[in-house]
Amino acid sequence: AQSVTQLGSHVSVSEGALVLLRCNYSSSVPPYLFWYVQYPNQGLQLLLKYTTGATLVKGINGFEAEFKKSETSFHLTKPSAHMSDAAEYFCAVSELVTGANNLFFGTGTRLTVIP
Amino acid sequence: DSGVTQTPKHLITATGQRVTLRCSPRSGDLSVYWYQQSLDQGLQFLIQYYNGEERAKGNILERFSAQQFPDLHSELNLSSLELGDSALYFCASSLRQGYTDTQYFGPGTRLTVL
Repeated sequence: AQSVTQLGSHVSVSEGALVLLRCNYSSSVPPYLFWYVQYPNQGLQLLLKYTTGATLVKGINGFEAEFKKSETSFHLTKPSAHMSDAAEYFCAVSELVTGANNLFFGTGTRLTVIP
Repeated sequence: DSGVTQTPKHLITATGQRVTLRCSPRSGDLSVYWYQQSLDQGLQFLIQYYNGEERAKGNILERFSAQQFPDLHSELNLSSLELGDSALYFCASSLRQGYTDTQYFGPGTRLTVL
């Protein structure tokens, strides 16, 4: 079965600094990977997704992620952090083996942006 | 606003009780998914419906059940509630049931079992 591991449950960066949130996946078949963001007291919002094609995926709010098959990674980055980026970020993978479309989520990374 | 609505927003009940959570998907979406978010288990997939039929089951307890109605709204029924069922329950919807379909999440229902 597919699974994802997010390294670092909490990440703090200064405003304007690079944001790097790590995600590694485990899958026996080509994965479909997603990053979602959850702001306090809100639902999850899709930032970006990788299905096929270009391995560098651009999402909303200036975020991007690169699919690296050799490293089984799908790390999320943003060149310059903004105060509004403070939130919890979840990496997820689709369940492809059984043909279902349910998502398996990582444990999440809480991003704090320091002014 | 994702277009997915969930009611109620908050629910407080006692152990042993039964509750129903309701979800209305985005207009045109045929698939509905239920997820549970708790501190100890994280975000877990519970169940998926597509156009009224159950498509996939995750870590859903036997005390929990769901259905999707002809108008495509869905209900998640939780019975014989235990303290450990306290969690945030999310509904998501997607246009179809393909692997690449984006799932749009509702704001969630926070369930507190006392």
